[in-house]
Amino acid sequence: QQPVQSPQAVILREGEDAVINCSSSKALYSVHWYRQKHGEAPIFLMILLKGGEQKGHDKISASFNEKKQQSSLYLTASQLSYSGTYFCGTDYTGGGNKLTFGTGTQLKVEL
Amino acid sequence: DAGVIQSPRHEVTEMGQEVTLRCKPISGHDYLFWYRQTMMRGLELLIYFNNNVPIDDSGMPEDRFSAKMPNASFSTLKIQPSEPRDSAVYFCASSVRGGYGYTFGSGTRLTVV
Repeated sequence: QQPVQSPQAVILREGEDAVINCSSSKALYSVHWYRQKHGEAPIFLMILLKGGEQKGHDKISASFNEKKQQSSLYLTASQLSYSGTYFCGTDYTGGGNKLTFGTGTQLKVEL
Repeated sequence: DAGVIQSPRHEVTEMGQEVTLRCKPISGHDYLFWYRQTMMRGLELLIYFNNNVPIDDSGMPEDRFSAKMPNASFSTLKIQPSEPRDSAVYFCASSVRGGYGYTFGSGTRLTVV
């Protein structure tokens, strides 16, 4: 029941855009997005609730399509600091207290 | 705020020994989570607490694992006896309440030899 992320890995040149997808086989109440750099803790980026909302955080935004049971993370004009592994965390029970994390997407931004 | 504080950062122990991991959540956060991260299984929720009460421990792998939260500022995860397959990074995280983002600690890298 772990959500599936795609792609598994992506390499970008600085300034390029990327999309990371998170798909679930079950209905979702909300989706969290986190970024983890090697050897560090995951850092919270944003949360999306039911209702198909879209959120933004600097040049990183995300959407949530509850009918399709999926969320997408958009990174525009990527910077070197965006490098890391991105995880979606899905809430299947409501309340946001029991996240199931996805398989992760490794993103590397190069000069 | 110092964030979520975990100790120790690294732990190397021999198979069969007892291991205790510690966590201090952010003050005012009502939820505390213990996660385990491995290459094979990714981030897995082991147990979570709400207001110091264990709510869901269905992710605890077996009876060798136990967790306590005696007060709002301290939690432990204990493995007794430890086995090599327990080797992983264990993260503690806290949240102000349900539906909010988690703040993770720096993690404890456990190696059981």
